Amino acid sequence: NAGVTQTPKFQVLKTGQSMTLQCAQDMNHNSMYWYRQDPGMGLRLIYYSASEGTTDKGEVPNGYNVSRLNKREFSLRLESAAPSQTSVYFCASRIRGTGSDTQYFGPGTRLTVL
Amino acid sequence: DQQVKQNSPSLSVQEGRISILNCDYTNSMFDYFLWYKKYPAEGPTFLISISSIKDKNEDGRFTVFLNKSAKHLSLHIVPSQPGDSAVYFCAARYGTASKLTFGTGTRLQVTL
Repeated sequence: NAGVTQTPKFQVLKTGQSMTLQCAQDMNHNSMYWYRQDPGMGLRLIYYSASEGTTDKGEVPNGYNVSRLNKREFSLRLESAAPSQTSVYFCASRIRGTGSDTQYFGPGTRLTVL
Repeated sequence: DQQVKQNSPSLSVQEGRISILNCDYTNSMFDYFLWYKKYPAEGPTFLISISSIKDKNEDGRFTVFLNKSAKHLSLHIVPSQPGDSAVYFCAARYGTASKLTFGTGTRLQVTL
């Protein structure tokens, strides 16, 4: 049981290049999320998928697209990378049970855009 | 507009003493609060949570207190251990899809 996995761990892009960040979870969770973390700031929600087949914008969606490929996988795409997208990206999945509601995070992808 | 605030960027506490981390929020619609712990180069790890209908939740050395009238919550760690040294994020839940709003984090250092 690997939990939430993310690939790649590190990536350097040039301005204008595109790339896809991959996320997968093996906990059979319905909801998945993408966040970014910048220095001196908390994690900010980019996009989320409440259930398979649905996606919605979060707080900072501009410049990103997402795909909920199946229940396990939720990818984040940068079509034309900009230096402002230099950040650490975290994927999370959510379990909801009696009296609890918790998101579990992957290890992150550190992205640098030159 | 920062709806969840952690006003102390850092905190240093001696081993064995109590660590108190604070968090303030402005949105009355938040109905569930969580604390996450984060080590460098790792993802946040869930620590403890509390529903807005409660005022206290305890799990071993960790206790979270919620004061709804003051829109304030705190995390108490007793006794503090060197392994507790990390960045602690407060988060608040809103909406039917359980979106989280995070504070900016407090770096806790537990010294020997």
